Amino acid sequence: KAGVTQTPRYLIKTRGQQVTLSCSPISGHRSVSWYQQTPGQGLQFLFEYFSETQRNKGNFPGRFSGRQFSNSRSEMNVSTLELGDSALYLCASSLSGGKDTEAFFGQGTRLTVV
Amino acid sequence: GEDVEQSLFLSVREGDSSVINCTYTDSSSTYLYWYKQEPGAGLQLLTYIFSNMDMKQDQRLTVLLNKKDKHLSLRIADTQTGDSAIYFCAETTSGTYKYIFGTGTRLKVLA
Repeated sequence: KAGVTQTPRYLIKTRGQQVTLSCSPISGHRSVSWYQQTPGQGLQFLFEYFSETQRNKGNFPGRFSGRQFSNSRSEMNVSTLELGDSALYLCASSLSGGKDTEAFFGQGTRLTVV
Repeated sequence: GEDVEQSLFLSVREGDSSVINCTYTDSSSTYLYWYKQEPGAGLQLLTYIFSNMDMKQDQRLTVLLNKKDKHLSLRIADTQTGDSAIYFCAETTSGTYKYIFGTGTRLKVLA
């Protein structure tokens, strides 16, 4: 079966712009979570969605937002981009997001802010 | 707290065993995971252990958990060049729907 698909793979944006990243989970998976990976901060949790509802949110400013559609696809949006937002953004999908379900990660979207 | 610490680098010779260590702080963690990340790729789940277990073996991989010391380790037997990657430990607690990842250990396998 198809894995987790993230689009686009690479993105270059200018400071002050906004960006939308997309994640298509594995068919049948209803939980989608997002992580930011940077060399300095490592992997940081952004948010998790299940059946279109956000169940948890990490410690990121309000410029970072997300949503999930009825088909479980998810998008995250970053507004007013800053240089420090340059990172690899990873999406993970799982059946239910619970502790005992495996999370499958996509290859990520590498965002560069210039 | 939400700190998960790992040593940054490990270098071993092909055929030797590798041991990657992880220290976590959240005593309420219920599951602990090991993920592998190869260059340009996402994270691949290698194995996980429930917090009421001490050890889990899966082919070349052995996970040891010392809950008293909040210490987790991953042993890779007969390490191969294809094992070169970054290894992350992660913890999760029931009801939080998120993983807390360690800093990652870069494993380099020398031929």
